This record gives sequence, structure tokens and C-alpha cells, in this order.
Amino acid sequence: KAGVTQTPRYLIKTRGQQVTLSCSPISGHRSVSWYQQTPGQGLQFLFEYFSETQRNKGNFPGRFSGRQFSNSRSEMNVSTLELGDSALYLCASSWATGSGNTIYFGEGSWLTVV
Amino acid sequence: AQTVTQSQPEMSVQEAETVTLSCTYDTSESDYYLFWYKQPPSRQMILVIRQEAYKQQNATENRFSVNFQKAAKSFSLKISDSQLGDAAMYFCAYRSALTGTASKLTFGTGTRLQVTL
Repeated sequence: KAGVTQTPRYLIKTRGQQVTLSCSPISGHRSVSWYQQTPGQGLQFLFEYFSETQRNKGNFPGRFSGRQFSNSRSEMNVSTLELGDSALYLCASSWATGSGNTIYFGEGSWLTVV
Repeated sequence: AQTVTQSQPEMSVQEAETVTLSCTYDTSESDYYLFWYKQPPSRQMILVIRQEAYKQQNATENRFSVNFQKAAKSFSLKISDSQLGDAAMYFCAYRSALTGTASKLTFGTGTRLQVTL
């Protein structure tokens, strides 16, 4: 079955703009989480959604937001982009939100802010 | 808050040899999960192996095995019979077993593994 799919894979935005990234989880998975990966900060947890509800949030400013739809697809939005938002954004899905569930990752969306 | 430390930024191993990647973590919790993820140049994170803290037996997946020392908060990954395809960035990760934080992974800084002929 298909894995976690993220779109777009690559994008370039200008400072001050906003961006929306999309994630389609593995079929049947209801939990979606997002991570930011940068050379300086490494991999950092952004947030997790389960059944359209945000269950957990990392330490990021309010410019970072997300949502989940009834089909479990998720989007994350970053408003008023800053140069430091340039990163690989990884989406991950699991069957449920319990700790025993394996988390599967997509290939990520590369965001460059210029 | 939990922290994960990988003290080896880079490691190198010859094909067919064995290599061990180190990971230590800090937590006050008694129930948790530990993982090793591999990130090849495609950047997709691939689960290599997982360990439940309540299990004393070390996890094994084919050529990959771990040495889990709960008291020492150590979780190393051993790769046997290394192959060229093992070259990648390896991340150690921690996940709490507490409800509400269960899906959050805390990652180490990674170890880049090179495999030479």
C-alpha cells in the first residue's frame, strides 16, 4: 500500500509570504504528526493531529499551524515566513496515537525561504 | 524534558564489518520506547529497530541489533555485515509511553555512517 505522501516536495517562498504543505497518511492511519528538520536545530516536533483534533504541540511560534481533515489528510501552514523557516518538513503517520504504534515518515517537503 | 544524545557525528565502516553507533538519553520516566531511524539521501526516515523499555531482551532485526542498558540510559545500535546500502544518517529517538505525549518523538543529532569497500 502507498506510504506517507507529502506535497509539494520542493518549494521556494519569499520572506513574509505564507505556505501550506500537505500530507496524506498511509491508508487507515488516523494520526498525523509534523517535524521540522534543519542543520542547526535538528529534528523538532511541530504538532500531532488525531481525528481532526490537535493532540500535542511542540515549541513553535503561532505562525506555525495545522489541521486535519475527516479523511485524515493533514495540512500545515506557516505564515509570515522568515529565513529561518527554511527546512525539510517531515510528515509522519501512525494507525493511532498510542505509544505502541509505529510511526512512518514521508519523504518531506523542502522549503526554501529567500 | 527528555533529551537524546548521539556523541558520534560520523562513523566509518568497511563493507562486511561490524559497527556500533552510540546513543544515550535522559528521562525521569520508567516506561518509554526507543528507536533507531535511518535517513538515506532521499531524506525519508526509515524505522530500523525499536525497543520497549519494559523489555529486558535486546531487540534484533536481521543484521541490526541493539544493546539496551536501562540503568545506564544507553541504547546503542550494532550493524553486522555492513553493506553499501547501510550508508545513511542514523537517528536515535525517544518516545514517552505517557498518554498525550505518546506520539512525540525526541531525536538525537544523528550519526552519519559511511560504508567503504
